[in-house]
Amino acid sequence: DAKTTQPTSMDCAEGRAANLPCNHSTISGNEYVYWYRQIHSQGPQYIIHGLKNNETNEMASLIITEDRKSSTLILPHATLRDTAVYYCIVRRNYGGATNKLIFGTGTLLAVQP
Amino acid sequence: DTGVSQNPRHKITKRGQNVTFRCDPISEHNRLYWYRQTLGQGPEFLTYFQNEAQLEKSRLLSDRFSAERPKGSFSTLEIQRTEQGDSAMYLCASSLPPRLAGTTDTQYFGPGTRLTVL
Repeated sequence: DAKTTQPTSMDCAEGRAANLPCNHSTISGNEYVYWYRQIHSQGPQYIIHGLKNNETNEMASLIITEDRKSSTLILPHATLRDTAVYYCIVRRNYGGATNKLIFGTGTLLAVQP
Repeated sequence: DTGVSQNPRHKITKRGQNVTFRCDPISEHNRLYWYRQTLGQGPEFLTYFQNEAQLEKSRLLSDRFSAERPKGSFSTLEIQRTEQGDSAMYLCASSLPPRLAGTTDTQYFGPGTRLTVL
């Protein structure tokens, strides 16, 4: 599975959009981009995933560049409860040799009041 | 809430003791995963079950670790002769197999069991 690079930490003002970048320059054609977050002392929470098209759900939007080498997770109106570590993970589809998720160290997003 | 549940949530034990953790996946999820997370790091994969079959094990899963899923529903993770280095959060996740071509199996995590070995 392709490796990802994320900033170690970011700040965001409450009520503003939080834009979390992720680089995955070695991504291959059948690999999906997944985002999870982990609030302190809790299990990771699934946010969203995509292959090549932009995706949106009730939690966030995922923007994937046309060459698929990077993506951005957008939280449209960040709240204090969005303070967490955000993980960007690239993973093969179900037909791949592995089903495991490979986590990096993620981005610590601190939403400021 | 019918999410993944894990018990106990916290476990404190003395070095050398055996411990067992339980994971109950989301109903009808036939795939189950165990991960371990140490302080400041992301979760690391330990093992994966599809129904009752253990299909993949990480090299992190030493001989002191054993995981079972006897009836393809709940799973247990046992650590024998615990060491201080085993102190970590143990996470369980479950997923459905993809049902349509081009879809994926999204993993949903439980709250974890925090183990402290004294």
